[in-house]
Amino acid sequence: EVQLLESGGGLVQPGGSLRLSCAASGFTFSSYGMSWVRQAPGKGLQWVSAISGSGGSTYYADSVKGRFTISRDNSKNTLYLQMNSLRAEDTAVYYCAKIGATSDYFPADYWGQGTLVTVSS
Amino acid sequence: DIVMTQSPDSLAVSLGERATINCKSSQSVLYSSNNKNYLAWYQQRPGQPPKLLIHWASTRESGVPDRFSGSGSGTDFTLTISSLQAEDVAVYYCQQYYSSPFTFGPGTKVDVK
Repeated sequence: EVQLLESGGGLVQPGGSLRLSCAASGFTFSSYGMSWVRQAPGKGLQWVSAISGSGGSTYYADSVKGRFTISRDNSKNTLYLQMNSLRAEDTAVYYCAKIGATSDYFPADYWGQGTLVTVSS
Repeated sequence: DIVMTQSPDSLAVSLGERATINCKSSQSVLYSSNNKNYLAWYQQRPGQPPKLLIHWASTRESGVPDRFSGSGSGTDFTLTISSLQAEDVAVYYCQQYYSSPFTFGPGTKVDVK
């Protein structure tokens, strides 16, 4: 059974940093791309970032490029999102999701329950 | 970036009736080399993460009831729920995965009339 468990969310001041983690199990982690998608309170889904199975290719939304870094440790079956220079508009539930095929260009077929990031002074 | 739009913003349908949601992309998401539309549909029930319903615009995921169907090509797509059930109350999103950033539509809320 595929399981994705996010952690690392919390309250952070504007300009601060936070690192999210996503522990994956139930599939061959290194074979699949992974992504982060966020959802501000009461709002729609916003795609944030994705990474290929090997980690060699990364993709970012314009709104986070240069501030967020996606990475993965295939030996630990863990996905990360390093978030720097956080802004109030980054406040959201952050979902970790598994890409549904071995190609980077495919939607996410499994999602975690999300972790809440609140950026406020 | 490809901008995704959806219509309507919300709709209320009687149980057993048809619900139709439209999605439009600002540029074609049809990849000519494989003739596939890089368009997915998700369902998000209240308090839950999204669930993938359809990929390649019309291919249902395993376990998704056949009352859900997707159609369209190029820039215009439709998700149809042929006979609305109570458990289908949710927000539905389309997403393009043709090019990064892999943008979502704003969502369509479906309720029971």
